[in-house]
This record gives sequence, C-alpha cells and structure tokens, in this order.
Amino acid sequence: EVQLLESGGGLVQPGGSLRLSCTASGFSFSSYAMNWVRQAPGQGLEWVSAIGGSGNNTFYAESVKGRFTISRDNSNNTLYLEMNSLRVEDTALYYCAKDVVVVPGAPGFYFDSWGQGTPVTVSS
Amino acid sequence: SYALTQPPSVSVSPGQTATITCSGNKLGDKYTSWYQQRPGQSPVLVIFRDNERPSEIPERFSGSNSRNTATLTISGTQAMDEADYYCQAWDRYTYVFGSGTKVTVL
Repeated sequence: EVQLLESGGGLVQPGGSLRLSCTASGFSFSSYAMNWVRQAPGQGLEWVSAIGGSGNNTFYAESVKGRFTISRDNSNNTLYLEMNSLRVEDTALYYCAKDVVVVPGAPGFYFDSWGQGTPVTVSS
Repeated sequence: SYALTQPPSVSVSPGQTATITCSGNKLGDKYTSWYQQRPGQSPVLVIFRDNERPSEIPERFSGSNSRNTATLTISGTQAMDEADYYCQAWDRYTYVFGSGTKVTVL
C-alpha cells in the first residue's frame, strides 16, 4: 500500500524559511516523479513543484520560482521542499503527491496517491 | 500562463446526472485528469487520461475531452458524490489545476 507522510509544517514569520519532508513507502520511490501541491484555506488546489524520479528534472510554479527548491533522497525514500522568503500568501496545506510517470509531464501522467498534508502558516 | 476554467458550482438531484466542464486552450490536445476532494480530506483521482477510471472508482464516473473542453460526468449521482472536483493538465513544464467545482446533491 502506498503511503505518503508529510511533515515539517508550522508557523513562520514573513521572510522566514521552512523545510517540508514527505516520507514514502509501499512503492519503488525512485521510479516515479513526485510533486508538491498546496491548498490555501478555503481555496482550490495549486501545483507547486515537481521532480523526476532521478532528481534531475525539476519544475516550479511561477509563484514559487526562485524561492522554493524541491529535492529528493531516493536512498531514504524522502521528498523535500525547501521554502525560503516565505510570504503570507504561501499559507496553505501542503500535500505531496505521487506521479505515475518518471519524468513530470510525460504523456499519460496523473497523481495516483496523495498524503494528508502538512500545514504552513506564514504570519507575523 | 495556461488556465483551466471550471464552473464554481453544480447542483444535482440524487439519481440524476451531474456534468462538470473544464475549459482550456486546445485542452483536447492534452491529457486531462480529474480529482474528487471531500471536505477535510485529501484529493482522490477519479478519472485519468481523459476517460479512464481507477478500478476502485464507481462506473458512474466517466470523462471525455475534445477541442477546448474536458467533461466529467457523474451518472446516477449519489449523496456521497457531494464534493469539490478539480481537473488537471500539463502545459509548458507546469501542471495546472482547474479552479474547482463544488457539486451539491440536493
């Protein structure tokens, strides 16, 4: 059974930093791209970032480009999201989601498993 | 940037058909997925590759995609189908989610 467990969320001041983690189990982690998706309170889903199975291909939403960095440790089945220069508008529940392709955006992609999310609140 | 537009809400009576649209430029040239999100829960995939359904998803869920519009259809809607639904596509190195549609079963 695929399991994704996010951690690392919390309260941080504007301009601060936070590192999210997503520990995966139940599948061959390095064989699949992974994603971060966020959802602001009462709002819709917003894709944040994706990383290929090998870690070589990374992609970001314009809203976080230059501030967030996605990475993965395939030896420990863990996905990360390093968030810097945080803004109030980054406040959201952050989900990690497993892709079914090894390179993000490959034909036939979709997200077949999601974690429960970790909350991030950016406030002074 | 690429945008996917969905109606904010759809209302349907139990047993009737709910139709949710997702519009985007040349969306029919891309694969579209659909996710269901019940209140307080994580999203769940209900349709992938335009019209394929995960084995655990009931047959009453179906999808199509042509030209500029993808459609999620829920036939014989049940109370448990009340949720938010999001479409998803890939464009120019980014994943894009639709704005979401709240389905209310009256």
